[in-house]
Amino acid sequence: NAGVTQTPKFQVLKTGQSMTLQCAQDMNHEYMSWYRQDPGMGLRLIHYSVGAGITDQGEVPNGYNVSRSTTEDFPLRLLSAAPSQTSVYFCASLKQGVAEAFFGQGTRLTVV
Amino acid sequence: GIQVEQSPPDLILQEGANSTLRCNFSDSVNNLQWFHQNPWGQLINLFYIPSGTKQNGRLSATTVATERYSLLYISSSQTTDSGVYFCAVVGADSWGKLQFGAGTQVVVTP
Repeated sequence: NAGVTQTPKFQVLKTGQSMTLQCAQDMNHEYMSWYRQDPGMGLRLIHYSVGAGITDQGEVPNGYNVSRSTTEDFPLRLLSAAPSQTSVYFCASLKQGVAEAFFGQGTRLTVV
Repeated sequence: GIQVEQSPPDLILQEGANSTLRCNFSDSVNNLQWFHQNPWGQLINLFYIPSGTKQNGRLSATTVATERYSLLYISSSQTTDSGVYFCAVVGADSWGKLQFGAGTQVVVTP
């Protein structure tokens, strides 16, 4: 039981490049979400999903796309990276809307 | 949306000291969690505590949902307790969406 697994752990991108951050969970959780953490701040919600095929925007969705084709996976896509997207990204999952959330180890992304 | 305020923003402790961290929230919540972010950036689940009191070793937490606050107690602090402590809540109409406070930076000195 690995919990929530994020890949990669570190990434450097050039402005304008695209990439996908991967998130997988093996706990059969319905809810999955992506957060970003900027220096000195708490985490802010980017996108979330309440089940396969269902996604919605969070607080800071601009510049990011998501899809949820399976219960286990919830990838986050940066279509055209910008320096403002330099951040640490966390993926989370929880069984139900009010249950305990579990986080992955994070992806540190730098856009130059 | 729901507002989450943590205090104090910074805390410096000598090893062995006790401390209390506070989390205030602006509306009813269905979920409240405390996390410790260690110096390597990992988020560690400390407590899932929408109400009541829990204890885990030297740490304990109390949430008084009717008064919209939660407290995290650290007793006999150790250097390994250093890091940032976050409170996060799920509002009554915000299924699965955690709202984080800005955190309390704790430094425990030997």
